[in-house]
Amino acid sequence: EVQLLESGGGLVQPGGSLRLSCAVSGLTLSTYVMSWVRQAPGKGLEWVSAIGGSGRSTYYADSVKGRFTISRDNSKNTVFLQMNSLSVEDTAVYYCAKAPPGSWSEYDYWGQGTLVTVSS
Amino acid sequence: EIVMTQSPATLSVSPGERATLSCRASQSVSSNLAWYQQNPGQAPRLLISGASTRATGIPASFSGSGSGTEFTLTINSLQSEDFAVYYCQQYNTWPFTFGQGTKLEIK
Repeated sequence: EVQLLESGGGLVQPGGSLRLSCAVSGLTLSTYVMSWVRQAPGKGLEWVSAIGGSGRSTYYADSVKGRFTISRDNSKNTVFLQMNSLSVEDTAVYYCAKAPPGSWSEYDYWGQGTLVTVSS
Repeated sequence: EIVMTQSPATLSVSPGERATLSCRASQSVSSNLAWYQQNPGQAPRLLISGASTRATGIPASFSGSGSGTEFTLTINSLQSEDFAVYYCQQYNTWPFTFGQGTKLEIK
């Protein structure tokens, strides 16, 4: 059974940093494109970032480009999102999601999310 | 970036009836469009990919259509568990983008 488990969320002050992790089980991670999607309280879904299976290709939303970095450790079946220069607008539940094998496309499995709160 | 616009924002339909949700892209996304369902406090669930292909385990009451810039999600014979928020997402062009969602509520 495929499972995605996010961790690392919490309360951080504006301008601070946080590193999210997504531990994946039930599959060989290197085969899959992985992404982060966020949802601010009471709002809709916002695509954040994606990374290819090898880690060489990465993409970002304009709202996080230059501040967030996506990475992965396939040997540990884990994907990361390093978030720097956080602002209150980054407050959201952050979901980890995977695409079908070898595909940059829809997300067929999602984690349950981890809440990031940026506040002074 | 491609802007995805969903309509209506809220749709009130009676159980057993049909619901039709729309999604429009600001430029062509070909058939690279997905639909998701989200219940309160839960992660999104994939319903449709490639504009019209149901995901594994999704009942036949859900159907998707369209290509280019106009897409539709149709839900027939609405059940209580179908009342949720629905999102479309384009994965044709970076950055990938979601619509703002349609809340399907019980009439």
